[in-house]
Amino acid sequence: AQSVAQPEDQVNVAEGNPLTVKCTYSVSGNPYLFWYVQYPNRGLQFLLKYITGDNLVKGSYGFEAEFNKSQTSFHLKKPSALVSDSALYFCAVRDSSGGSYIPTFGRGTSLIVHP
Amino acid sequence: DSGVTQTPKHLITATGQRVTLRCSPRSGDLSVYWYQQSLDQGLQFLIQYYNGEERAKGNILERFSAQQFPDLHSELNLSSLELGDSALYFCASSLLAGVEETQYFGPGTRLLVL
Repeated sequence: AQSVAQPEDQVNVAEGNPLTVKCTYSVSGNPYLFWYVQYPNRGLQFLLKYITGDNLVKGSYGFEAEFNKSQTSFHLKKPSALVSDSALYFCAVRDSSGGSYIPTFGRGTSLIVHP
Repeated sequence: DSGVTQTPKHLITATGQRVTLRCSPRSGDLSVYWYQQSLDQGLQFLIQYYNGEERAKGNILERFSAQQFPDLHSELNLSSLELGDSALYFCASSLLAGVEETQYFGPGTRLLVL
């Protein structure tokens, strides 16, 4: 069975500092990995995804994520945080094997960027 | 704005009742997903449809059912409602049904069961 873990419920960072939101996964086959962001009272918005190819994926709003197969991780990063980045971030995984189309989301990490 | 619309935005009802949530996917998208988001369970995948056919099923209760119509809009029916069904229900859509597809989420329907 596939799973995804976001080990931190909350991440605090000062504006202008780099940020990292962690995600680890477990799948049987090849992982398809996604990051989404949710602002208060809004639906989730797609940030980026890893399907295949370069391990470093660049996405919206200056975010990027690095796929690490050996560590089964897909951490979200941004070189310089903005107060407006404060939101709830979700990592998601889908497994390419077994014909399962079920997406599994992490429990979310609340990012708080302090002025 | 993702292009996915959901109605109603808010719904307040009583235990034992039945409600229907509606979702219109982005123009051209063939696949629709339903999710339940609650504080204790997080974001739970319920069900996926592709071009009118059920494609994947998650932790959807037997009291819940869904369908996708020929015009590709989808409805999620929740019956015999319980207090614990109070949650935010999201619909998402994608162009196709594959695991690599990006999902675009609607704004959600907030359901409160009293």
